[in-house]
Amino acid sequence: QVQLQESGPGLVKPSGTLSLTCAVSGGSISSSNWWSWVRQPPGKGLEWIGEIYHSGSTNYNPSLKSRVTISINKSKNQFSLKLNSVTAADTAVYYCTNSFDYWGQGTLVTVSS
Amino acid sequence: QAVVTQEPSLTVSPGGTVTLTCDSSTGAVTSGHYPYWFQQKPGQAPRTLIYHTSNKHSWTPARFSGSLLGGKAALILSGAQPEDEAEYYCLLSYSGAGRVFGGGTKLTVL
Repeated sequence: QVQLQESGPGLVKPSGTLSLTCAVSGGSISSSNWWSWVRQPPGKGLEWIGEIYHSGSTNYNPSLKSRVTISINKSKNQFSLKLNSVTAADTAVYYCTNSFDYWGQGTLVTVSS
Repeated sequence: QAVVTQEPSLTVSPGGTVTLTCDSSTGAVTSGHYPYWFQQKPGQAPRTLIYHTSNKHSWTPARFSGSLLGGKAALILSGAQPEDEAEYYCLLSYSGAGRVFGGGTKLTVL
């Protein structure tokens, strides 16, 4: 069974860059069609951030597109999220998922000085 | 960007049947939106129940099913159990415009 684990700083300063990595175990990152990031602000609903296909092509939420980069590292069996120019509105639990089959446990990222 | 609408809250009696729906601001939901349904309990990550309208994962309880009803995606729960009390989210895909989650339905089993 595929397992996903998010990692990265839990605190980011305003105007900084949020960087998270999702480590994939129990299977090859090349085995899924795409890999996605989803976030959930405290007490609110889910928001799709974007996804990367095993070909390397990406698809982003239009509202975040100018600030988001998703990349994949097949040699390390992981994929990553970068979100720049963050504000308090980017405070959320960030989840990674493979084609929406399996999900990571999520990691809380707080944007604060 | 499209807006996806779900009932904010629903209540079902134990053993009862309830239908959750997922509506799109762009028009009728079709199989081409590849509807997904997720269950999320407090403090937990979402769990995928249904993908591509009506397909179940191996872990999806048989009492859950997905379909298209009246221009919307639907999640039908037949024979509700106390452990089904949770937040349910749908997700629709829009060609060339990404994916959009619904606002979620808080399901109470009471």
